[in-house]
Amino acid sequence: DAGVTQSPTHLIKTRGQHVTLRCSPISGHKSVSWYQQVLGQGPQFIFQYYEKEERGRGNFPDRFSARQFPNYSSELNVNALLLGDSALYLCASSLAELNEKLFFGSGTQLSVL
Amino acid sequence: GENVEQHPSTLSVQEGDSAVIKCTYSDSASNYFPWYKQELGKRPQLIIDIRSNVGEKKDQRIAVTLNKTAKHFSLHITETQPEDSAVYFCAASPSYSSASKIIFGSGTRLSIRP
Repeated sequence: DAGVTQSPTHLIKTRGQHVTLRCSPISGHKSVSWYQQVLGQGPQFIFQYYEKEERGRGNFPDRFSARQFPNYSSELNVNALLLGDSALYLCASSLAELNEKLFFGSGTQLSVL
Repeated sequence: GENVEQHPSTLSVQEGDSAVIKCTYSDSASNYFPWYKQELGKRPQLIIDIRSNVGEKKDQRIAVTLNKTAKHFSLHITETQPEDSAVYFCAASPSYSSASKIIFGSGTRLSIRP
């Protein structure tokens, strides 16, 4: 059984560009959440979606947006990239609506030059 | 705003000894406290979690204790082994259906000395 998959694994962008990151949850999981992990720090919560609806939002600017599709996969979009957006972006899925017993993907390493 | 503080940031223990990592949280609505282990270059993995209606939970060599009054919770690893070397993150979540949010600590890098 496949775990949480994320694509791409690595991405290099320049300031001002936009980026779309993709995540497929574990089969049967209806909740997907997104996190930003800067080197040496813990994951920071960005969004949580359950049944295609936003259930939670962290303290990130409006440049960050996300959505969840009918098959429960999800996209994270970041517009007008800044150097400070460089980080590992993790996606996690869980069975229930709450942010519990998360299964993380391997992440997308985003570098903004 | 809500915050989770984690100490120490680095910890080195002799193989076979115990390791303790401590966290404090600020949001009194928090009622779910997981611990994740992240090995170098790998994804975080849940190792144990506890809810606020329980004071202690144990799973083999790993245990978590919670003091809800003091807003403290701790991870205890006994009989440490080389494969315990990793970064450990605590987290706290209010775990209610609306505006669900989870806050992670900054991590503890645990090294096991042979």
